[in-house]
Amino acid sequence: KQEVTQIPAALSVPEGENLVLNCSFTDSAIYNLQWFRQDPGKGLTSLLLIQSSQREQTSGRLNASLDKSSGRSTLYIAASQPGDSATYLCAVLQGGSEKLVFGKGTKLTVNP
Amino acid sequence: DVKVTQSSRYLVKRTGEKVFLECVQDMDHENMFWYRQDPGLGLRLIYFSYDVKMKEKGDIPEGYSVSREKKERFSLILESASTNQTSMYLCASTLGRLSSYEQYFGPGTRLTVT
Repeated sequence: KQEVTQIPAALSVPEGENLVLNCSFTDSAIYNLQWFRQDPGKGLTSLLLIQSSQREQTSGRLNASLDKSSGRSTLYIAASQPGDSATYLCAVLQGGSEKLVFGKGTKLTVNP
Repeated sequence: DVKVTQSSRYLVKRTGEKVFLECVQDMDHENMFWYRQDPGLGLRLIYFSYDVKMKEKGDIPEGYSVSREKKERFSLILESASTNQTSMYLCASTLGRLSSYEQYFGPGTRLTVT
């Protein structure tokens, strides 16, 4: 059974710092991996989608990498801002399945 | 832009009531999903549908049913609401079946059962 883990559960950084959020998964047979952002009391916003054949995806200050063989993904946020404060979730789409398996998220706080 | 809307942001119901949560997407997506999200437990899949009138159970279907009569609309039904169904409910959709497309979420419905 696929399990997705995000460590740490919470992270607090000063504004302007570059940071990395981690995601690991136990079964490497995935179609894709998706990173989401969730603000308190709101739905999830898709940030980046990495297909299983890709190594990374970039959008603005965000860069996500995928190492399928080791079961790891990272989300790199450059020059963090207070507006980046949110919970970040990763999820994998298991091969042969319609279902995303989610991690429990990392709550990021960027202090002014 | 893909838009997924949910009928209510906040809902308060009494134990035993029948509750309908509605979700509509405007991008002709084939797949639609219902999740619930609870502190410490993360997102858990209740049901999903990959076509009109087609549905499959997720990880926690007990106490819930679903309906998909039209492609754009996916309803979650709590036949007899209980306090342990107090939660945040999230609807999502994606383009195709067994696809590598992004999953898009609605804003969520915070349901309280008293």
